[in-house]
Amino acid sequence: DAGITQSPRHKVTETGTPVTLRCHQTENHRYMYWYRQDPGHGLRLIHYSYGVKDTDKGEVSDGYSVSRSKTEDFLLTLESATSSQTSVYFCAISAQGLNTEAFFGQGTRLTVV
Amino acid sequence: GQQVMQIPQYQHVQEGEDFTTYCNSSTTLSNIQWYKQRPGGHPVFLIQLVKSGEVKKQKRLTFQFGEAKKNSSLHITATQTTDVGTYFCAGPNSGYALNFGKGTSLLVTP
Repeated sequence: DAGITQSPRHKVTETGTPVTLRCHQTENHRYMYWYRQDPGHGLRLIHYSYGVKDTDKGEVSDGYSVSRSKTEDFLLTLESATSSQTSVYFCAISAQGLNTEAFFGQGTRLTVV
Repeated sequence: GQQVMQIPQYQHVQEGEDFTTYCNSSTTLSNIQWYKQRPGGHPVFLIQLVKSGEVKKQKRLTFQFGEAKKNSSLHITATQTTDVGTYFCAGPNSGYALNFGKGTSLLVTP
């Protein structure tokens, strides 16, 4: 498996609190992604990064922000968690974006109560 | 944004039966990728198709990319219990990311 680590792996948080999920890679890949996975919806793109400090929104970006201050780390922040953000979050990395395979992390299961 | 539609959503087969999942896009795709996710696991890359009409095989798995590059299929011959999982197709969006279909969940009964 590619060197991707997501932390935490599980988290329970209260509605209205901020939450930050971390994705760390040791592959020096340029592209990093955050997806959420919910039953019946597959994998939906939240945000992605195509370089340090370069990010763009995906189809479900409302309520989320990201930061990438160095190549190896991509942070996803839920500014004020809501129950609708209960989900499994996957980070993925890719060397060349659309033309090469994406490697996924193990996922973070987030529950907002 | 560009979307890929995948059918069926679920498929339950007896071990030894064949299985096919289909992926369709309203627009032409530069390439399409397929991933497999085992229950409780994370998606794992299977293959990428780039050329119109391309067919690739991996043991019992056959992947096809349509002539118009708007559809693709994954066919598994003689399913085994190890094939259980969800199969996703993914196509490029307008930026640098992949848009995934909703996946087809395959259940194989011994």
